[in-house]
Amino acid sequence: SQKIEQNSEALNIQEGKTATLTCNYTNYSPAYLQWYRQDPGRGPVFLLLIRENEKEKRKERLKVTFDTTLKQSLFHITASQPADSATYLCALERSGGYQKVTFGTGTKLQVIP
Amino acid sequence: GAGVSQTPSNKVTEKGKYVELRCDPISGHTALYWYRQSLGQGPEFLIYFQGTGAADDSGLPNDRFFAVRPEGSVSTLKIQRTERGDSAVYLCASSPREAGVDTQYFGPGTRLTVL
Repeated sequence: SQKIEQNSEALNIQEGKTATLTCNYTNYSPAYLQWYRQDPGRGPVFLLLIRENEKEKRKERLKVTFDTTLKQSLFHITASQPADSATYLCALERSGGYQKVTFGTGTKLQVIP
Repeated sequence: GAGVSQTPSNKVTEKGKYVELRCDPISGHTALYWYRQSLGQGPEFLIYFQGTGAADDSGLPNDRFFAVRPEGSVSTLKIQRTERGDSAVYLCASSPREAGVDTQYFGPGTRLTVL
């Protein structure tokens, strides 16, 4: 079965710096990979999606890269702000249509003012 | 518009009891997911509906867990003979399944505590 690994240790960075979070997966390649944000006591909120044939996607201060050779996605937040502090989850769906979406364990980001 | 809603927001029950958790998805969303999330963990997949049918129920931990979506909209997750290990936040998500993608919209979750 698919295994998704995210850095389980919390990431602490200084305000204004770029935060980089990693998502590694094993076995099959996904049709697409998504990043979600989760705040305490709330459900995850969708941020960005990148498909298997795309290398990079951007949205405002967010950037996602996808390397199917390394089986890795990187999630970057530039000019980070304390309001970016949250847990970030990656999720992927296997190719083949109507497959379930599988989530990683998430990485907790703390942006220090 | 209205998002995904889940009821109840909190449920405390005793070991051995039966519970039902309800999910009201966004209108028109064909896909519906149930997840279970423990503290410090990511959402753990339980079951996935496309319309009325369960497309994948491989995440249900055992036969005490069952879910239905009879009219392709509201879904109910049912847990029989609850155990303390069932305590977790149960999340529901729906998706319009556009262009072959399940972008999921999550509800706030139901926190289940089994005493």
